[in-house]
Amino acid sequence: NAGVMQNPRHLVRRRGQEARLRCSPMKGHSHVYWYRQLPEEGLKFMVYLQKENIIDESGMPKERFSAEFPKEGPSILRIQQVVRGDSAAYFCASSPPWGRELLGYTFGSGTRLTVV
Amino acid sequence: AQSVTQLDSHVSVSEGTPVLLRCNYSSSYSPSLFWYVQHPNKGLQLLLKYTSAATLVKGINGFEAEFKKSETSFHLTKPSAHMSDAAEYFCVVSSNNAGNMLTFGGGTRLMVKP
Repeated sequence: NAGVMQNPRHLVRRRGQEARLRCSPMKGHSHVYWYRQLPEEGLKFMVYLQKENIIDESGMPKERFSAEFPKEGPSILRIQQVVRGDSAAYFCASSPPWGRELLGYTFGSGTRLTVV
Repeated sequence: AQSVTQLDSHVSVSEGTPVLLRCNYSSSYSPSLFWYVQHPNKGLQLLLKYTSAATLVKGINGFEAEFKKSETSFHLTKPSAHMSDAAEYFCVVSSNNAGNMLTFGGGTRLMVKP
């Protein structure tokens, strides 16, 4: 049973390019969460998605960032026109639709985005 | 609203001595509490969780934490540190009234000296 798979592990983009980060949840998990970790900081919530639905995007920056979790395929976090301040580690977590507090969340290994 | 405060950004111990990583939380409703560990350039691994059952929670690798509602604390302890314990540790709170969103503390970097 593979865990949460994120790819790529490392991504380098020039300022102004687009970054696409992918997350495949654990088998049986239908809820996906994206978190961002800036250097020397804890993780900050960005967005919570279920299949084809954004449930909570209160942590997403208002511009340039978007997320989706289509019926088929991985969840995608998309950052348009990247800037140096977007450099961070982006973590995806997944959970089953029930018992999230009991079972906890499973995190992927993250995508480390570097904007040059 | 919910929040988590990890009282020490860095903790240094000698191998074989006890570890104490402190965490205080605030939450309007009965929270679930977690400790995660992050090794350098790695993902997050769940150490243990509290979900309104026993207040003393045992986790992996010899770690345990005690939920103290009166003190709003959830400190992480281990009787004897090992070199492999050197990592970043995050205390995390979640509650139904926050949409089950996880709120992370700022992290505590544990250093273990030989």
